[in-house]
Amino acid sequence: QKEVEQNSGPLSVPEGAIASLNCTYSDRGSQSFFWYRQYSGKSPELIMFIYSNGDKEDGRFTAQLNKASQYVSLLIRDSQPSDSATYLCAVMGSGAQKLVFGQGTRLTINP
Amino acid sequence: EAQVTQNPRYLITVTGKKLTVTCSQNMNHEYMSWYRQDPGLGLRQIYYSMNVEVTDKGDVPEGYKVSRKEKRNFPLILESPSPNQTSLYFCASSSRWPAGANVLTFGAGSRLTVL
Repeated sequence: QKEVEQNSGPLSVPEGAIASLNCTYSDRGSQSFFWYRQYSGKSPELIMFIYSNGDKEDGRFTAQLNKASQYVSLLIRDSQPSDSATYLCAVMGSGAQKLVFGQGTRLTINP
Repeated sequence: EAQVTQNPRYLITVTGKKLTVTCSQNMNHEYMSWYRQDPGLGLRQIYYSMNVEVTDKGDVPEGYKVSRKEKRNFPLILESPSPNQTSLYFCASSSRWPAGANVLTFGAGSRLTVL
């Protein structure tokens, strides 16, 4: 079982709709959870982080964390073509020494 | 400008020819790390360093070496490159490890091809 799993996609969403990206993790003691966005040929950039169960909103982005289910998600509201990218879920394990990345979900927003 | 600088950005080399990918950050970060990114496998950690003279293996350290003699620099050394080390490499750094926001700042990446 992979430590952090994401659906690799591609996920295709019409412009203006809500894009939902999901991630599961295996280390039940994980404490910190991050979403990075990576445009093709570019380096990852941090979008959001979340530490506590529940929702965290930042503009059009909402991160959701459910530690009991070992599940973290990212919602993008009012999706724009510029949101087309690969989204990487990253989890800080219980040892707090290593950030483990999922394989990424490729998202395409169709005008 | 705060940044992580990697060089070279692109490199084509041959099997067995030693090479070094340099990484330098100007943010006085304690933590630095190297990742490789391959299609379908995401980012995998090669080595990391918590501070000067402190380094440790990540998930895929075989075939790589690192050193951390100065806080700002964290070079990645391939003593005898092989074709399976063809990949996109990222260096990253952070000032607030393990916890905290703005965790990792990534370099622009180094695309390495080993023939």
